[in-house]
Amino acid sequence: IQMTQSPSSLSASVGDRVTITCRASQDIGSRYLHWYQQKAGKAPKLLINAASSLQAGVPLRFRGSGSGKNFTLTITSLQPEDFATYYCHQSETTPLDTFGQGTKVVI
Amino acid sequence: EVQLVQSGAEVKKPGESLKISCRASGYQFLNYWIGWVRQMPGKGLEWMGIIYPSDSDTRYGPAFQGQVTISVDKSINTAFLQWSGLKASDTAIYFCARLPSLRSGFDYWGQGALVSVSS
Repeated sequence: IQMTQSPSSLSASVGDRVTITCRASQDIGSRYLHWYQQKAGKAPKLLINAASSLQAGVPLRFRGSGSGKNFTLTITSLQPEDFATYYCHQSETTPLDTFGQGTKVVI
Repeated sequence: EVQLVQSGAEVKKPGESLKISCRASGYQFLNYWIGWVRQMPGKGLEWMGIIYPSDSDTRYGPAFQGQVTISVDKSINTAFLQWSGLKASDTAIYFCARLPSLRSGFDYWGQGALVSVSS
């Protein structure tokens, strides 16, 4: 399954609403899509599990939605610490898991 | 506190073998899958494979099947990733990460281990 993220990068300001999309090449249901944040030089951090389940400790401004082929990560009010690269990950076809190519959020 | 602590950076020559480690603590090691993820320089994340420590059930991504070996040592709560003949194209950061259940997202990650392969 191919995962296509868009955009590949975006420029935004503090306080902006940011939307990142991830499209699967085939239906992956609603449980097997996850979102990560990766800051430069650091390990990824799981933000959203199973399309919309917010991980403990992750701020409420992060929201995940979608099912089937189309998924969205929304940051409702961008904060300075949110500038990072975001990846989606599908696990519907383990061990054929795939990640999206990433979306870099810059100032 | 759940922690995954990886071994340090490695510099190797093509053809050499290597085994890197990921030591787990703060949870029941046997009951959670552990996976490995590759990140080549300046690139995105690639899913390599996972192992279930309790029975060593191992699943490899197709690009990595036959190229690496994933294993565990239950006596020391440690997972391993090894190569028998490194290539320059293996140069990357390798992360280990925990899966709370099969087909979920990886909820805890190691700090990453840089492997550099050059003649």
